This record gives sequence, C-alpha cells and structure tokens, in this order.
Amino acid sequence: GQQLNQSPQSMFIQEGEDVSMNCTSSSIFNTWLWYKQEPGEGPVLLIALYKAGELTSNGRLTAQFGITRKDSFLNISASIPSDVGIYFCAGRRLLNSGNTPLVFGKGTRLSVIA
Amino acid sequence: NAGVTQTPKFQVLKTGQSMTLQCAQDMNHNSMYWYRQDPGMGLRLIYYSASEGTTDKGEVPNGYNVSRLNKREFSLRLESAAPSQTSVYFCASTQGGFGYEQYFGPGTRLTVT
Repeated sequence: GQQLNQSPQSMFIQEGEDVSMNCTSSSIFNTWLWYKQEPGEGPVLLIALYKAGELTSNGRLTAQFGITRKDSFLNISASIPSDVGIYFCAGRRLLNSGNTPLVFGKGTRLSVIA
Repeated sequence: NAGVTQTPKFQVLKTGQSMTLQCAQDMNHNSMYWYRQDPGMGLRLIYYSASEGTTDKGEVPNGYNVSRLNKREFSLRLESAAPSQTSVYFCASTQGGFGYEQYFGPGTRLTVT
C-alpha cells in the first residue's frame, strides 16, 4: 500500500538544539498531520496542515506543507527532555472518489541528551 | 471528556482463542478506525467505519472482524488468534469522513502465544 518516507529514523540530540524531520511521498496529498507518541501511549496530534505552502506553529513546533504537496517538514526549536518520543507524519490523498484513509510514516525516534 | 477509550489495556491469548477489543469515543465523531502498530512498521489500518452502519476493510483486514455498535462504539474481534496478531492495537476517530484530524485511544497491547 501507499507509504510515506519519513526521515531520519532516529535522532540523538543535545538539549537546546533544534530538530528537523520530514516526510515525502510519491503521491500528492491534500492533508498532512504530525503526531507524537510517548511510550505506552497512543499518538497525540500536534499539527494539522491543509494547504500547500502552509506554515503552522504549536509552541516550539513548526510544520510546513510542502509546495509540491508531496512533502512536509516538522521542526522543533530549543529541544527539552520532554520532547523525547516518536514523531509520526500522516498524509491523506484526495481522489476523484473522495478522501482516502490516512497513511503513516514509520516514525522518527527522538532522544534528547540533557 | 475522555476522548477515545479502549479496553482492555493488556491481553495475553493462546493461539486459537478469540477476543473482542472495545473502543468508545465521546466526541460525537462520525468515523472510527482500528490500527495495529508493529515495530518498524508504523501504523497500519485494519478496518474503518466512515459512519454509523458502515464498515470497510483497510490495509490489513485478514483475521479480524469489526462491529460498529452505535455512533460511540467500534469493536474489533479476533476469532482465532495467531501469533502474527501480537501487536499494539489503536482505535481512532474523526469528526467526519477522512477529511478531519484523527484522535487516538491509548492502545491495547495484545500478545498471542
């Protein structure tokens, strides 16, 4: 089935550093969502994007809907220990038949060294 | 407002046993979903219900059945559990169809021995 390519797979960073991760697809998407998952919990929605070029922030998190509509980026500024977790991108295509179910990237595992 | 709730949180089954995973949402959402999450595989859609009274197969439906009991509840049933169904199962819901933000429950960790 349709897959998103999410990179990097994992990151080890120092507290205070900025983080960037991205997702790409071979198909055009009309929605991009970014989630964070902590151990033993379900994914929690961080940011939703609906328009090409859209740039949206949620505190220290900023996400962008790529102009080509085939990619999206998530940035975390000034990382702190509680940023640790797995970050997932998810996208949705719009076909003639209507919207399709979300497809998910395989996640970026973020570790923050204090 | 609890959002999406799932029961049980943990379950161990023997091969061939059956069980039903329960999911409920209190957000008055129309659409509900079941996913499984395996290491390195991300989240894969098992079944979904776009609206009350409808269900459709997702990417990995084999070995599962679902019931949309009412607008609030969407259950997932394993009729004859297999070790390959060892996974973490998540239920999710959205306001309408596929075009809205999706919210997840806390998950059920299932082990089949």
